[in-house]
Amino acid sequence: EPEVTQTPSHQVTQMGQEVILRCVPISNHLYFYWYRQILGQKVEFLVSFYNNEISEKSEIFDDQFSVERPDGSNFTLKIRSTKLEDSAMYFCASSRLAGGYEQYFGPGTRLTVT
Amino acid sequence: QQQVKQSPQSLIVQKGGISIINCAYENTAFDYFPWYQQFPGKGPALLIAIRPDVSEKKEGRFTISFNKSAKQFSLHIMDSQPGDSATYFCAVARGAGNKLTFGGGTRVLVKP
Repeated sequence: EPEVTQTPSHQVTQMGQEVILRCVPISNHLYFYWYRQILGQKVEFLVSFYNNEISEKSEIFDDQFSVERPDGSNFTLKIRSTKLEDSAMYFCASSRLAGGYEQYFGPGTRLTVT
Repeated sequence: QQQVKQSPQSLIVQKGGISIINCAYENTAFDYFPWYQQFPGKGPALLIAIRPDVSEKKEGRFTISFNKSAKQFSLHIMDSQPGDSATYFCAVARGAGNKLTFGGGTRVLVKP
């Protein structure tokens, strides 16, 4: 069964450094998303992406964040200058175009900012 | 602004019992209501979902009940098993391809 994959599984970085989180969505999916989950809390929407542009972004997704689909398979989230409060699990998700309600999540990247 | 309120926060049930988790939403424009199951250290996994044109959907031991007029939906886990011990999140969405807004989560513990 196709799965969303994410790398790395755990990333430790120092405050102020740039990080890039990588995702490979399910191959025939066309909607892509990033969510985050601070430890013990609910899952929060960051951004959605379709047709090579951002469809919607939350107030969390400020100028420090960017997304890119550099090729036909990868979808990346970049945080330009990490803050302590960026420490969280980051989940990538994808969904199909036609009737694409169902969103399938990857295993997540745990980002720790020290 | 809390668009989705989920209760209870935690639940302990005996093996073979029924787990019931409730969610209430505010915006009548939502048209997709999924439940996700999350194990520690893993991503949320889609469990079951419902659209507002039906009042109930059953898949195996999992049932969603949907009350459009009350703006509430619930997850029932029948014959709960220790392997069902996880955190369950309800979510809502408006339109295909749009963001999911999650509830706060319910930690379910099924005791053997």
